Amino acid sequence: DTGVSQDPRHKITKRGQNVTFRCDPISEHNRLYWYRQTLGQGPEFLTYFQNEAQLEKSRLLSDRFSAERPKGSFSTLEIQRTEQGDSAMYLCASSQGTGEAHYGYTFGSGTRLTVV
Amino acid sequence: AQSVAQPEDQVNVAEGNPLTVKCTYSVSGNPYLFWYVQYPNRGLQFLLKYITGDNLVKGSYGFEAEFNKSQTSFHLKKPSALVSDSALYFCAVRDILSGNTPLVFGKGTRLSVIA
Repeated sequence: DTGVSQDPRHKITKRGQNVTFRCDPISEHNRLYWYRQTLGQGPEFLTYFQNEAQLEKSRLLSDRFSAERPKGSFSTLEIQRTEQGDSAMYLCASSQGTGEAHYGYTFGSGTRLTVV
Repeated sequence: AQSVAQPEDQVNVAEGNPLTVKCTYSVSGNPYLFWYVQYPNRGLQFLLKYITGDNLVKGSYGFEAEFNKSQTSFHLKKPSALVSDSALYFCAVRDILSGNTPLVFGKGTRLSVIA
């Protein structure tokens, strides 16, 4: 297992376009998290899944954002009608629920979105 | 609500000197505390954690952190800094009583170790 994978690493899009990011977690991890990180800030929680169930969504996740984890494995994060304020690094992390307190999260390298 | 404060945006230290990166937290109950490091254009890497037990915890790359409940602090320390320690450091917290609430991160502290 090579850890948490995110694709693409970089995405440049025009304002108003839709974008979709993919995250492949560590295979035995049942929890998957999406965070957003802007310059000079720490990661801000967006949403998380336990298996295929989306258990919590931040108020940062406007109705233009949607996330799925259809089979409890990989996850996608879609942003519709992108705005310049969506420009950020989107981080995915996974964890094994029963061991989360002891091992924390494993993060991917992130997808850097630039909206022009 | 859970929160983390990292009062210093930037910490500069000479190579070989001890370093401290500060973190204070706020939770309703007892905390799970973590430190992560981020190198340029990379995700966050786990350094160390406090769950329970000994207040001084040791982690990767010679880092350690001291949990102080009365001061609600969890400062990251290293006895002798290396240039390769230069990176962005994040403190994170979760309330033990909060169930599955995700980790809350601080804004980060940029550590610069000067040769």
